[in-house]
Amino acid sequence: EVQLVESGGGLVQPGGSLRLSCAASGFIFRDYWMQWVRQAPGKGLEWVSRIHGDGSGISYADSVKGRFTISRDNNAKDTLFLEMNSLRADDTAVYYCARRYYGSGSFYMDYWGQGTLVTVSS
Amino acid sequence: QSALTQPPSVSGSPGQSVTISCTGTSSDVGSYKRVSWYQQSPGTAPKLIIYEVSNRPSGVPDRFSGSKSGNTASLTISGLQAEDEADYYCSSYTSSSTLFGGGTKLTVL
Repeated sequence: EVQLVESGGGLVQPGGSLRLSCAASGFIFRDYWMQWVRQAPGKGLEWVSRIHGDGSGISYADSVKGRFTISRDNNAKDTLFLEMNSLRADDTAVYYCARRYYGSGSFYMDYWGQGTLVTVSS
Repeated sequence: QSALTQPPSVSGSPGQSVTISCTGTSSDVGSYKRVSWYQQSPGTAPKLIIYEVSNRPSGVPDRFSGSKSGNTASLTISGLQAEDEADYYCSSYTSSSTLFGGGTKLTVL
């Protein structure tokens, strides 16, 4: 059974840093792209970043570029990370990790974690 | 990285059909089969309900169907049920980014 479990969220002051983790199980982690998607309170989904299975192909939304860093551990930990620096109030959101599956010619997000809440406030 | 365009809300009575549109560009929605749809109930994670424009994952009722014409994709829910009340998001992607629509709140009257 595929499982994605996020952790690391919490309350942080503006300008602070936080590192999110997403522990994956039930599939060969290194074979899949992974993504981070966030949702501000009462708002829609916003894509944050994605990374290829081998750690290449990294891209970011303009809103987080230069402040957030995505990475992964394909060895024993099978974990996706999101390092968030220079946090702002508008980064407050539930952060989801999702598996990016390549089907018959296109990508889609077939499994999602339960999310972890990040609150940026003084 | 412009978001895809969805109507903010739609509604229908039980048993009726509703359609939610999703408009993008030739670089994303209009490109091959780059459209997926997600259902999100309050307090829960999004759930994949349509992939590659018109395919349903195992377990998703056949009341949910997807289609596309040019740069606009559509999600149709027929035989509306109370449990279908949720937020629905379309998604597509380019070579450098993943895109979501703003979301559509479905109300079952």
